[in-house]
Amino acid sequence: AQSVTQLDSQVPVFEEAPVELRCNYSSSVSVYLFWYVQYPNQGLQLLLKYLSGSTLVKGINGFEAEFNKSQTSFHLRKPSVHISDTAEYFCAVRSGGSNYKLTFGKGTLLTVNP
Amino acid sequence: SQTIHQWPATLVQPVGSPLSLECTVEGTSNPNLYWYRQAAGRGLQLLFYSVGIGQISSEVPQNLSASRPQDRQFILSSKKLLLSDSGFYLCAWAAENRGTQYFGPGTRLLVL
Repeated sequence: AQSVTQLDSQVPVFEEAPVELRCNYSSSVSVYLFWYVQYPNQGLQLLLKYLSGSTLVKGINGFEAEFNKSQTSFHLRKPSVHISDTAEYFCAVRSGGSNYKLTFGKGTLLTVNP
Repeated sequence: SQTIHQWPATLVQPVGSPLSLECTVEGTSNPNLYWYRQAAGRGLQLLFYSVGIGQISSEVPQNLSASRPQDRQFILSSKKLLLSDSGFYLCAWAAENRGTQYFGPGTRLLVL
């Protein structure tokens, strides 16, 4: 079985500061990893994904994440955040298989303060 | 390009009333389709998924059901709503053999 742990339920930061949102997963087989962002009262938007290849993945809005197999982590980073980055962020994992089910973490609420 | 629609956007229903939420996808064929529920502070819970017309897999036993009458239409239903059915319902699709899921705008359901 696969699982995802987002270590911080809330992360407050000041505008223009760097941020890292942590995500750890567990799975017995190869994995595919995703980060989604959800703005208030909206659906989830795909930020970035790791399927294979380079372990450093760049996404939209200046975010990037690094897949670390030995530490089973997929942390999300941004060097300088904006007020508009305030949202909830979800990490998700899919193991190889035919049913394409995603397992989501419980989410991290990023609040960017002026 | 592909788009996914959900309606209604918001719904207020009394306990014991029926429910029908609709999700449609445009610009793709034979997608995998998913229904999730998001309750406050509890992340996303997968309710149902479908890999084809008439093929529904249930993840959580409850008073909800799902149907897929057409290739790109996915419906979430209930005969009698409970207070605990309140939440934000999200539909998602994924292209066959790829797996990245793309989400619709969601339906906010409040059961009173």
